[in-house]
Amino acid sequence: EPEVTQTPSHQVTQMGQEVILRCVPISNHLYFYWYRQILGQKVEFLVSFYNNEISEKSEIFDDQFSVERPDGSNFTLKIRSTKLEDSAMYFCASEEGYEQYFGPGTRLTVT
Amino acid sequence: RKEVEQDPGPFNVPEGATVAFNCTYSNSASQSFFWYRQDCRKEPKLLMSVYSSGNEDGRFTAQLNRASQYISLLIRDSKLSDSATYLCVVKLRDNYGQNFVFGPGTRLSVLP
Repeated sequence: EPEVTQTPSHQVTQMGQEVILRCVPISNHLYFYWYRQILGQKVEFLVSFYNNEISEKSEIFDDQFSVERPDGSNFTLKIRSTKLEDSAMYFCASEEGYEQYFGPGTRLTVT
Repeated sequence: RKEVEQDPGPFNVPEGATVAFNCTYSNSASQSFFWYRQDCRKEPKLLMSVYSSGNEDGRFTAQLNRASQYISLLIRDSKLSDSATYLCVVKLRDNYGQNFVFGPGTRLSVLP
């Protein structure tokens, strides 16, 4: 069964550093998403991506965030200058029809 | 006003019990509705979509009332493996794009 994959599973970085979180969505899906979940809190939408461009983004997705689909398979989330409050699980999801499927997440710890 | 609200929980029920989850949403432009389950420190997994006519999948029954902006999930004959957090999710779509809005979740513990 096809699945969404994410790497790395855990990333530790220092405040102010740039991080890139990687995702490989399910190959025939058209919409891709990034979400974050701070420990103990709800899943929060960051951005949706369709046809090689951002479809919608939330207030959380400010100038320090960017997304790319560099090679037709990978889907990346870059955080330019990490803050302590960026520590969270980051989930990638892809969608076909109207159902979305999540990757296992990357736990980002900013120290 | 929160976009998607759920019972705060947690629910602690014995095996075999029937348990009901409630969810309300505030955005009338919500187009599609889902229940996900999330195990501790894992990704959300789609449990079932919710259709206007109501739908059932084994022990799970979902209902939608668009007029009241209310969604429910019923689990019958609960199993230990049903222990998880249940997330109510609505999909919003407008001229600018689409996104999925998650409720805060209701945690269920099924006890032996």
